[in-house]
Amino acid sequence: EVQLVESGGGLVQPGRSLRLSCAASGFTFDDYAMHWVRQAPGKGLEWVSGISWNSGTIGYADSVKGRFTISRDNAKNSLYLQMNSLRPEDTAFYYCAKGLGAAGPPTFALWGQGTLVTVSS
Amino acid sequence: DIQMTQSPSSLSASVGDRITITCRASQSISTYLNWYQQQPGKAPKLLIYVASSLQSGVPSRFSGSGSGTDFTLTISSLQPEDFATYYCQQSYSTPLCSFGQGTRLEIK
Repeated sequence: EVQLVESGGGLVQPGRSLRLSCAASGFTFDDYAMHWVRQAPGKGLEWVSGISWNSGTIGYADSVKGRFTISRDNAKNSLYLQMNSLRPEDTAFYYCAKGLGAAGPPTFALWGQGTLVTVSS
Repeated sequence: DIQMTQSPSSLSASVGDRITITCRASQSISTYLNWYQQQPGKAPKLLIYVASSLQSGVPSRFSGSGSGTDFTLTISSLQPEDFATYYCQQSYSTPLCSFGQGTRLEIK
């Protein structure tokens, strides 16, 4: 079965760090770009970051640039998001999403079920 | 930054109705426009990519059109499972992108 499973979410204090993981299965992971998209509870979608198949092209939303780092391990079929200096406005469901191709315009063809990150003291 | 504006923000319709949702970009994005459906409590699902291409497995009652700054998503005959929130997303400013604010489709 083709699927993405996120993990690593939870409650964290402002200023602290958290690392999200996404385990991919059912497809050739290193054939596709991967992305993180978030959604604050009851709000709309916000693209966070994306990485091409070989990690050669990486992008970040302005809201997270300098604080978040995306990475992937193709040998482990896994995507990661290291989140530092977390703020209350980072509270959201974080979705892992598979691109349509190895690189190119971000299009989210497959989504995980999401993991909730809550930033609060 | 490219801003995406959807209209209406919410819409009430009945099973069998034909509905159209509009998405407008703040600058030309060619056909780099995707549409997603999100059911309550679920992850979004890709419906349409590059403005008019139907994603595999998506029913043919869904269609998309447009180019430049103005785009539409049409559902030709609403089914009960279509009542959800719909988002447009521009992928022109790769690797960056942005979503519309969403259109909530409710049962009348």
